[in-house]
Amino acid sequence: QVQLVESGGGVVQPGRSLRLSCAASGFTFSTYVMHWVRQAPGKGLEWVAVISYGGSNKYYTDSVKGRFAISRDDSKNTLYLQMNSLRIEDTALYYCAKDRSSSWSFDLWGRGTLVTVSS
Amino acid sequence: QSALTQPASVSGSPGQSITISCTGTSSDVGDYNYVSWYQQHPGRAPKLIIYEVTNRPSGVSYRFSGSKSGNTASLTISGLQPEDEADYYCSSYTTSSSWVFGGGTKLTVL
Repeated sequence: QVQLVESGGGVVQPGRSLRLSCAASGFTFSTYVMHWVRQAPGKGLEWVAVISYGGSNKYYTDSVKGRFAISRDDSKNTLYLQMNSLRIEDTALYYCAKDRSSSWSFDLWGRGTLVTVSS
Repeated sequence: QSALTQPASVSGSPGQSITISCTGTSSDVGDYNYVSWYQQHPGRAPKLIIYEVTNRPSGVSYRFSGSKSGNTASLTISGLQPEDEADYYCSSYTTSSSWVFGGGTKLTVL
């Protein structure tokens, strides 16, 4: 069925790295823009990054620029988020989300993977 | 990339209508018709309920409607039902090729 499944979260110390994955199924992954969105415990949603179909264009929220990198492997139907120099404030549930074609909205979400940055 | 402004909470009785506002700037809500709304129940992933200001995805109840005037978008839920109790978030595309969410509104059905 149509779904996104995130993985790779865990507990990590400040300054360390983590790579999240998002496996897509049930739709033609390569033709869609994809996003990462996070939600700190008890807080609201925060958009993190976007990657175009083909992977040539990538944009980030200011707080993660230079630390996080979004990428995709269309042969594996998988979206990634490489997170370096992690900070305590990066602690959140990280969702991957599919863009609803040409509408700049998020029409399919995974269940999220929890990243906890703690010493 | 400041968050869009939403009321922290709204409430209504079953059958009533409520409206949630979402105020941005001329760099996001005011500049594009790419405002969307999401419903999130506790412990669940968000669900798209409105896209491009006024459009409902297939399967979303007609009781949900959206509008926009200037820098402020609004979500109206008519005929409130107990299952509408949830958190609601607005989002907009911005002139910085990024997206911004509102802080979220907790809807209580009395």
